[in-house]
Amino acid sequence: GENVEQHPSTLSVQEGDSAVIKCTYSDSASNYFPWYKQELGKRPQLIIDIRSNVGEKKDQRIAVTLNKTAKHFSLHITETQPEDSAVYFCAASRWTGFQKLVFGTGTRLLVSP
Amino acid sequence: DTAVSQTPKYLVTQMGNDKSIKCEQNLGHDTMYWYKQDSKKFLKIMFSYNNKELIINETVPNRFSPKSPDKAHLNLHINSLELGDSAVYFCASSQEGQSDEQYFGPGTRLTVT
Repeated sequence: GENVEQHPSTLSVQEGDSAVIKCTYSDSASNYFPWYKQELGKRPQLIIDIRSNVGEKKDQRIAVTLNKTAKHFSLHITETQPEDSAVYFCAASRWTGFQKLVFGTGTRLLVSP
Repeated sequence: DTAVSQTPKYLVTQMGNDKSIKCEQNLGHDTMYWYKQDSKKFLKIMFSYNNKELIINETVPNRFSPKSPDKAHLNLHINSLELGDSAVYFCASSQEGQSDEQYFGPGTRLTVT
């Protein structure tokens, strides 16, 4: 089955810096890669996703890149703000008639003012 | 309007008891999920139902039994609770054919003493 590894487990940056979180996956047939943000005590929420037919996707300060050959994808957050502090999860899935997300282990991002 | 709701929000119970968690979504989605998030924040799929039919059944002890009375509801019943069942349980829903975003409920924090 699919296995998703995520690094780093914790990341501390200063406000205004960039943050990068990396994930690798094992199933070459995976074709959907979402990123979820979970604030303390809250539910996970989708912030951006990418499909295997696209190499990069941007939405304001966040971007995701996908390298299918190397089977890794990354989340980039620019101009970080204290409200970006949260746990970020990557996930991978391949369509087999239904979606089964396999999540990475999470990255705790702390943005200091 | 709450899209995905769960009850109760907190559940404290003793080992050996039986308890249920309820989930309802008003998004009109066809697919619902149960996830378990342990103390290390690992987020793992347990079950998924599509139009009341079980489509994902991960390696979960058979003390856990999901039930979907209709496509807007997915309940989780747990028999003979054990200490290791302590976790946050999230319900989620999605709609095939639309975006693959999964909408999570607020979570139920289960503590077994």
